[in-house]
Amino acid sequence: EPEVTQTPSHQVTQMGQEVILRCVPISNHLYFYWYRQILGQKVEFLVSFYNNEISEKSEIFDDQFSVERPDGSNFTLKIRSTKLEDSAMYFCASSGTQGGEAFFGQGTRLTVV
Amino acid sequence: DAKTTQPNSMESNEEEPVHLPCNHSTISGTDYIHWYRQLPSQGPEYVIHGLTSNVNNRMASLAIAEDRKSSTLILHRATLRDAAVYYCILRRASGNTPLVFGKGTRLSVIA
Repeated sequence: EPEVTQTPSHQVTQMGQEVILRCVPISNHLYFYWYRQILGQKVEFLVSFYNNEISEKSEIFDDQFSVERPDGSNFTLKIRSTKLEDSAMYFCASSGTQGGEAFFGQGTRLTVV
Repeated sequence: DAKTTQPNSMESNEEEPVHLPCNHSTISGTDYIHWYRQLPSQGPEYVIHGLTSNVNNRMASLAIAEDRKSSTLILHRATLRDAAVYYCILRRASGNTPLVFGKGTRLSVIA
């Protein structure tokens, strides 16, 4: 069964450092998303992406965040200067159809120290 | 975004049916009703979605009220593996609309 894969599974970084979280969506999907979940809290939407541009973003997705689809397979989330409060589980998701079933990856746990 | 209301938690015995309710009184005509679940330490997982008619798939059934102001996710025989947080989400059919997760219902399954 096709799946969304995320790497790394766990990343520890120092405050102020840049991190790039990587995702490989399902191959024929066109709609991509990033979410995050702080420990013990709800899943929060960050950004949606289609046709090489951002479709929608939340208030969380400020200038410190950026997304990119550098090639035909990867979808990345970059945090330019990490803060302690960026520590969370980050989930990538993809959909094959507009408004259809979204497939989520297993997440990357980001710990900022 | 139209809001949904779910109980914080529910409990079920193993191998019995579970009915998870969701109220969405401000639903609009173009909103689909989606259900996702999140097992411990995993990413969210799609369960089912529908617009007006009841829907069935291999995981569950979705019963939608005639006025669409509420819906019920039905797990026909709960297993220990069904213990998870279940989210009822309204999502517009048009545009690359994201899923907006609430707090969901934490389902515990007792052996």
